[in-house]
Amino acid sequence: EIVMTQSPATLSVSPGERATLSCRASQSVSSNLAWFQQKPGQAPRLLIYGASTRATGIPARFSGSGSGTEFTLTISSLQSEDFAVYYCQQYNSWPRTFGQGTKVEVK
Amino acid sequence: EVQLVQSGAEVKKPGESLKISCKGSGYSFTRYWIAWVRQMPGKGLEWMGIIYPGDSDTRYSPSFQGQVTISADKSINTAYLQWSSLKASDTAMYYCARLGGSSAYYLDYWGQGTLVTVSS
Repeated sequence: EIVMTQSPATLSVSPGERATLSCRASQSVSSNLAWFQQKPGQAPRLLIYGASTRATGIPARFSGSGSGTEFTLTISSLQSEDFAVYYCQQYNSWPRTFGQGTKVEVK
Repeated sequence: EVQLVQSGAEVKKPGESLKISCKGSGYSFTRYWIAWVRQMPGKGLEWMGIIYPGDSDTRYSPSFQGQVTISADKSINTAYLQWSSLKASDTAMYYCARLGGSSAYYLDYWGQGTLVTVSS
C-alpha cells in the first residue's frame, strides 16, 4: 500500500498570503494525484487532478505541481473561504490512499 | 448536472444490519465507477472500495474486505454500502463519489454524506 504523507499538519496563514502544502508518496504515483478541499460539515471537493489540472470551477489561485513522489498544492493568495482541510490522494495503485490532511487556519 | 444523493442519517445498535444508498443523476450511471469513502469522527478520509454499476464489478480496499458489502442496482441508478453486523467502530460519515477521468480515474463528484452512528 502506498503511504501518502502530508506536511505540515497545520498551516497558519494570514488572508492574502501564499500557502504551500506538501504531499509525499512512499513510492511513485506518476501524475495520478488529486487534491481535495473539505470545509467543516461539508463533503470533500475536487480541486486538482493529474497533479496539476484544476477541476471545473476551481479558481486560478489554486495550483498543483509535482510528479513521482513529491507534490505541492499552492494557494497564491488566501481568501476567507479557503480556510479548510486539504487532502491529497493517489490513484495510481490499488488500494487508493489519502494523505492525513493539512488544516489551513487563520493566523 | 451530475448529482449523487445519499440516504439520510442512521442510528443503529451494535449487531444490527444496515444498508445505505447513493443515487446518481445527470450522467450515465452505468458507465462510471462509484467509490465509498469513510471518515471517522475528527479523522481523515479512507478509501473503502468501488463498484462499476454497469456489470457490478466490485473491488475492496484490504482494510474493508469482508467488513462491508458494496452493491448497485443499475435499474434505479443507485449504489449501496451495507453491513451485516455493525460495531461501534463503524460510527462515521460515509461518502459516495464518482470516479471521473479517461485513462486514470479520480473522485470528481461527491455525495453529501451519510452519518452512521452505532451505539448501544
